Amino acid sequence: DVKVTQSSRYLVKRTGEKVFLECVQDMDHENMFWYRQDPGLGLRLIYFSYDVKMKEKGDIPEGYSVSREKKERFSLILESASTNQTSMYLCASSPSRGRAFFGQGTRLTVV
Amino acid sequence: DQQVKQNSPSLSVQEGRISILNCDYTNSMFDYFLWYKKYPAEGPTFLISISSIKDKNEDGRFTVFLNKSAKHLSLHIVPSQPGDSAVYFCAASAQGGSEKLVFGKGTKLTVNP
Repeated sequence: DVKVTQSSRYLVKRTGEKVFLECVQDMDHENMFWYRQDPGLGLRLIYFSYDVKMKEKGDIPEGYSVSREKKERFSLILESASTNQTSMYLCASSPSRGRAFFGQGTRLTVV
Repeated sequence: DQQVKQNSPSLSVQEGRISILNCDYTNSMFDYFLWYKKYPAEGPTFLISISSIKDKNEDGRFTVFLNKSAKHLSLHIVPSQPGDSAVYFCAASAQGGSEKLVFGKGTKLTVNP
């Protein structure tokens, strides 16, 4: 079975901190995604990567950056955390033109 | 502008009856559609997909119908079970170029015993 692992289930960070969310997949998928889920807003794409070192902005990239140095790992970086970035963050991976597999999610609270 | 719309935030049905969840899309380039199910505090799990060359795909109790001319798809669950209670997301991707998955806002399904 495909496994997508997010480094933390729950995180609490202070405003202004730099935050790293890590995601690892074990199926050699080309594509990796970071979404955030907020009540009433569904899943919104933050960033998408289709290959190592390749990335594309999603719908809400402001305040975030990403890194993909190895095919299996995709990191989301909050440069300076703010309270409006409190959310559930979901990482996913997919083969080319295939269905996406999601990690368990990271519930981030910024105080 | 929302490219994938799920206009019903919630749906309640009785156990054993049919659940019908709807999804509309605006981007005519979308050619691959998926449904995901999500429980609280978990990641979404894949349910079923359909390519634009088909108008129906079935997997057990789940059937997805695609009406390309209306840019509409629906998920039918028959018979509905209490364990089906979850949030259901519709997603779509476009051929060529980026393979980003675009999601709707979700519909919360409650199946009452």
